Amino acid sequence: EIVLTQSPATLSLSPGERATLSCRASEDISSYLAWYQQKPGQAPRLLIYDASNRASGIPARFSGSGSGTDFTLTIITLEPEDFATYYCQQRRNWPLTFGGGTKVEIK
Amino acid sequence: EVQVVDSGGGLVQPGGSLRLSCAASGFIFSDYEMTWVRQAPGKGLEWVSLVSIGAGPIYYAESVKGRFTISRDNARNSLFLQMDSLRAEDTAVYYCAKGLKNSRGLYHFFDYWGQGSLVTVSS
Repeated sequence: EIVLTQSPATLSLSPGERATLSCRASEDISSYLAWYQQKPGQAPRLLIYDASNRASGIPARFSGSGSGTDFTLTIITLEPEDFATYYCQQRRNWPLTFGGGTKVEIK
Repeated sequence: EVQVVDSGGGLVQPGGSLRLSCAASGFIFSDYEMTWVRQAPGKGLEWVSLVSIGAGPIYYAESVKGRFTISRDNARNSLFLQMDSLRAEDTAVYYCAKGLKNSRGLYHFFDYWGQGSLVTVSS
């Protein structure tokens, strides 16, 4: 099973700042990684797929990069609605796996 | 408008069974993979099962293999999860989700999610 490790567990930032979230895979997953955003009491929302492709309707302030084992989600300028928990997910091998999440909280 | 609506959650005793349903609309259901993902209270996301299109394969997480059965009814645009031999550790919100697909193919990522159904396994 491919293990995804997200860091940091919590990121404390202010609106307007830049957020950089990391996801590291236990083995090479090429570019087969997605990022989701989840707010309390809501379902996850797909942001990025295959490492760097924005999903439909996702604002340009969200960008993804990386390949192999190291991936990054960047939020260029945090908006108030961006404070949430973010998960990565791989599709390289079965079973599909998610990272443990990074909570982006207001500083 | 794409909609995915899951239902069927509730309280069940350990060893019991429950069947979750998911009603889909706004897309050609038979053309898309569908999946179940769960989230234990206060925890992260855990993928549970996926059913492919046509006569394609079905996949399960090891934690539910042999106890859970995923199925789809394309005529009714519906997805199901039959859960048997339930355990306390199966307690979670269960989400039904639609697979991502574009001109390049199927992705095993999920772009539309239901609101979630809470399953509580307790005596």
